[in-house]
Amino acid sequence: EAGVAQSPRYKIIEKRQSVAFWCNPISGHATLYWYQQILGQGPKLLIQFQNNGVVDDSQLPKDRFSAERLKGVDSTLKIQPAKLEDSAVYLCASTVVLSSYNEQFFGPGTRLTVL
Amino acid sequence: DQQVKQNSPSLSVQEGRISILNCDYTNSMFDYFLWYKKYPAEGPTFLISISSIKDKNEDGRFTVFLNKSAKHLSLHIVPSQPGDSAVYFCAASLGGGSQGNLIFGKGTKLSVKP
Repeated sequence: EAGVAQSPRYKIIEKRQSVAFWCNPISGHATLYWYQQILGQGPKLLIQFQNNGVVDDSQLPKDRFSAERLKGVDSTLKIQPAKLEDSAVYLCASTVVLSSYNEQFFGPGTRLTVL
Repeated sequence: DQQVKQNSPSLSVQEGRISILNCDYTNSMFDYFLWYKKYPAEGPTFLISISSIKDKNEDGRFTVFLNKSAKHLSLHIVPSQPGDSAVYFCAASLGGGSQGNLIFGKGTKLSVKP
């Protein structure tokens, strides 16, 4: 089966600009996650969707970050305006909901550099 | 404050020997633990997991041990192979199994030398 797809793979912007990332989860996976991984750190959850509803967005900086999953499939994550500290790899993951113990499958990530 | 700690940023092991990667956690309410492996320019891939009701889980060359009283888990790879060279992340879940909010450590870079 095809894996989690993300685009773009790399993005360089200047601070105060806006940027958007796209994620297409594995077909049939109802749960989708966005993680931020800063260099030298582990991934940190930003937001979790179940179908098109938000399950957990407690760690999403809502003053500048937004995410949506309108039809319960693809998702976009937006940063507006970007700050230097937003430089990171943004990972999307998905999982099927058969039990609580199905693994999260990760995409390759989008590496964002804010200058 | 880090709830999941991997105190060794790197580890170098000879091919064929055992690799032991360690992870400590602070929150006694964590009920599920996972190890992910990450190659450069790729996303993390799931390796092995363990529920807090167990103390050992084995899958081929990979074994995870959990010591709840010490709040410590370890990943053993036997025998180590050059293809195992990657960054290994320990993660813990607070309810929800692997589907909940995973708290990751900073990772340990394993190098297996031929």
